[in-house]
Amino acid sequence: EDQVTQSPEALRLQEGESSSLNCSYTVSGLRGLFWYRQDPGKGPEFLFTLYSAGEEKEKERLKATLTKKESFLHITAPKPEDSATYLCAVLSSSNTGKLIFGQGTTLQVKP
Amino acid sequence: GAGVSQSPSNKVTEKGKDVELRCDPISGHTALYWYRQSLGQGLEFLIYFQGNSAPDKSGLPSDRFSAERTGGSVSTLTIQRTQQEDSAVYLCASSFAGGGEKLFFGSGTQLSVL
Repeated sequence: EDQVTQSPEALRLQEGESSSLNCSYTVSGLRGLFWYRQDPGKGPEFLFTLYSAGEEKEKERLKATLTKKESFLHITAPKPEDSATYLCAVLSSSNTGKLIFGQGTTLQVKP
Repeated sequence: GAGVSQSPSNKVTEKGKDVELRCDPISGHTALYWYRQSLGQGLEFLIYFQGNSAPDKSGLPSDRFSAERTGGSVSTLTIQRTQQEDSAVYLCASSFAGGGEKLFFGSGTQLSVL
């Protein structure tokens, strides 16, 4: 069964304090790993797709990396506006169209 | 419209009543998805429509739940005889190509069953 586990559940950072969020997964044939950002009262917003181990994607202060077992979302010098819940999801070859989501990491960045 | 539109944004109902939730996807998107998000939980897959293919209903939690997509566009999720455990945010998403790639989500319908 495809599974996604995110850690930590919650993370508090001071503005400028870099850190990483973890997404561990088990899947039968990874077709893609996705990162989404969700603000309170809104639906998730797409950030990145990673397809193979070693791949990296960057957007502003965020960088996503992928290995065969996990993905990291690195946040460099975060700002208060980066506060949100970050969701990881996987797409497997046995579940086309069905994203399996982790429970998310809620990030709070204090000024 | 510019994004995925869901209505109503909030719905309060009594246990045992039926409810209908509506989703209007982005124009031109062939795939449409319904997910459920309970408080403090991750997103739970419910159903996936891709073009004219038979929908993937494997995530529907019981036969009280059903969904349809008319004309390849608007979708309605119906919950019959609602129960308190149905209380959650119901999120709709669409994508251009289907297959689960790069979903665009609406803001959801917050359903509260009293």
